[in-house]
Amino acid sequence: NAGVTQTPKFQVLKTGQSMTLQCAQDMNHEYMSWYRQDPGMGLRLIHYSVGAGITDQGEVPNGYNVSRSTTEDFPLRLLSAAPSQTSVYFCASIGSGNTIYFGEGSWLTVV
Amino acid sequence: AQSVTQLGSHVSVSEGALVLLRCNYSSSVPPYLFWYVQYPNQGLQLLLKYTSAATLVKGINGFEAEFKKSETSFHLTKPSAHMSDAAEYFCAVSDGNAGNMLTFGGGTRLMVKP
Repeated sequence: NAGVTQTPKFQVLKTGQSMTLQCAQDMNHEYMSWYRQDPGMGLRLIHYSVGAGITDQGEVPNGYNVSRSTTEDFPLRLLSAAPSQTSVYFCASIGSGNTIYFGEGSWLTVV
Repeated sequence: AQSVTQLGSHVSVSEGALVLLRCNYSSSVPPYLFWYVQYPNQGLQLLLKYTSAATLVKGINGFEAEFKKSETSFHLTKPSAHMSDAAEYFCAVSDGNAGNMLTFGGGTRLMVKP
């Protein structure tokens, strides 16, 4: 049982480049989300999905796109990377009892 | 709207001393409350959660937290700190509805001195 799998773990981008952070879960969870973690600010919600074909914005959605074509996958796209998007990104899915399962994180640096 | 405040971004204790990490929340409905731990360069691990059952919740690694509605608090404690407890700790709140996401506090970095 792999749980929540994120790739890549580390990435360096140049300003203006685009990229996709991949997230997959094998627990058949309907609810998935993306957070970013910045020092002193905890984790902030970027986008979330309550099921295949349904996505919505969280607290800090600007500069990011998501899609949910399958229950398993929830990729996060950076359209035109900016230094302010340097952060650690966590994908998560919600299981029974409102327990959240986090991926291992993706460390992104935009130069 | 819900929010979480963690008092003290850094807490330092001696090995063997009591650990107390403070968390206050606001929520318009009875909350679900969580504590997560993050070790350097790793993801978040659930320590414990409160879901309206017993107000004193026991978690992993000897940690526990007490839900106090009158004080809107959910402080995390451990009677005796161990060097391996050094990490960052996050308190989080959810309104409990399926699919509603967590709101996190800013985190508290726990340092344990030998």
